[in-house]
Amino acid sequence: QQPVQSPQAVILREGEDAVINCSSSKALYSVHWYRQKHGEAPVFLMILLKGGEQKGHEKISASFNEKKQQSSLYLTASQLSYSGTYFCGTGRNAGNNRKLIWGLGTSLAVNP
Amino acid sequence: DAGVTQSPTHLIKTRGQQVTLRCSPKSGHDTVSWYQQALGQGPQFIFQYYEEEERQRGNFPDRFSGHQFPNYSSELNVNALLLGDSALYLCASAGQGHTYEQYFGPGTRLTVT
Repeated sequence: QQPVQSPQAVILREGEDAVINCSSSKALYSVHWYRQKHGEAPVFLMILLKGGEQKGHEKISASFNEKKQQSSLYLTASQLSYSGTYFCGTGRNAGNNRKLIWGLGTSLAVNP
Repeated sequence: DAGVTQSPTHLIKTRGQQVTLRCSPKSGHDTVSWYQQALGQGPQFIFQYYEEEERQRGNFPDRFSGHQFPNYSSELNVNALLLGDSALYLCASAGQGHTYEQYFGPGTRLTVT
């Protein structure tokens, strides 16, 4: 079951904040966040695991609500370099943690 | 460290032909996953190789097959190409552990005419 990302697109001015959400109808073990710039490969941002463990980027934070099966990615004081498409990938359990089901992405544009 | 490399970068094929895409994982990584990404879409999981065996597979037909070599590099083969197979094919490698992060290669852009 493909996770649902919202919003589909965001336009920010440099320095503004944004929140990107990722929701699943299935119980999740992990949520992975990646950013992809046009014409480039996705780049790892953050992993959140059931139970609260996190691993990721210093300047980006995220949360994982296990009861709601929802994760939110928080981008604060946005920089021009934050522009790109943000994807969440969901893993159902530890054994399937390497098989990720990806959302359709959220396009983020940061303007000067 | 060269990171994940893929070849070729671009490829144009005709319907019905066969294609082979190649991937070399990041140094120290032993697991390779393949994804198909259509324009404007998120990556779709094709399959994953570990210890030279296909461990998991997404919803792709048998026309999509793969292989992993003893040096952990991998190939993706697609037979009887269809126009709908046109996409960016991404390879991602990972190491051991339950909290792993995938490192993606730059992808191969396949166009089927």
